[in-house]
Amino acid sequence: EAQVTQNPRYLITVTGKKLTVTCSQNMNHEYMSWYRQDPGLGLRQIYYSMNVEVTDKGDVPEGYKVSRKEKRNFPLILESPSPNQTSLYFCASSLLSGSSYNEQFFGPGTRLTVL
Amino acid sequence: AQSVAQPEDQVNVAEGNPLTVKCTYSVSGNPYLFWYVQYPNRGLQFLLKYITGDNLVKGSYGFEAEFNKSQTSFHLKKPSALVSDSALYFCAVRKAPLWNAGNMLTFGGGTRLMVKP
Repeated sequence: EAQVTQNPRYLITVTGKKLTVTCSQNMNHEYMSWYRQDPGLGLRQIYYSMNVEVTDKGDVPEGYKVSRKEKRNFPLILESPSPNQTSLYFCASSLLSGSSYNEQFFGPGTRLTVL
Repeated sequence: AQSVAQPEDQVNVAEGNPLTVKCTYSVSGNPYLFWYVQYPNRGLQFLLKYITGDNLVKGSYGFEAEFNKSQTSFHLKKPSALVSDSALYFCAVRKAPLWNAGNMLTFGGGTRLMVKP
């Protein structure tokens, strides 16, 4: 089954304790992205990657890191989490094909609480 | 800067009645517009998109959306609502130029659709 998986689905942690949220897709998509969802703000893009070893900042990158060492994986790293990073996080992927647009496929989400 | 507005936090409709979820956008150049749906405890699912062509776009689950360039709107519609349509709906616009796929989507704040039996 074609899908985007995220782990963990739920995480409660404390300020300053480094954490990683994993994201993996099995559709051979070039493009992968991380969003955070907060009430009334919709989804805001954190980082994106257009291919292996190619990453760039989205709208709200502060406090986050990413890496893309393999095409299927795109982990999100919080080196020193703070309470304002409490949010619902989504990973997404899509094909890239020049002049056309391909819809994004989303993972199930990771609910993070930073105390 | 590109933006999307969904003016209603919640839309209530009775089952069997038509529904409309509103979306307006602001973007330079031609917009690429999308609707996604989020069911409880699930990720977003693609519903439909407008890239070019007919202003009325048909999508999944009987939904359709009408692109209106003069009003910069892309309202989501369904002729007859189902209780199972109850979910959170997001409108989105592509914010990047055609040759740059980065920063692909800007989302609206979402509208919760409640369909009552």
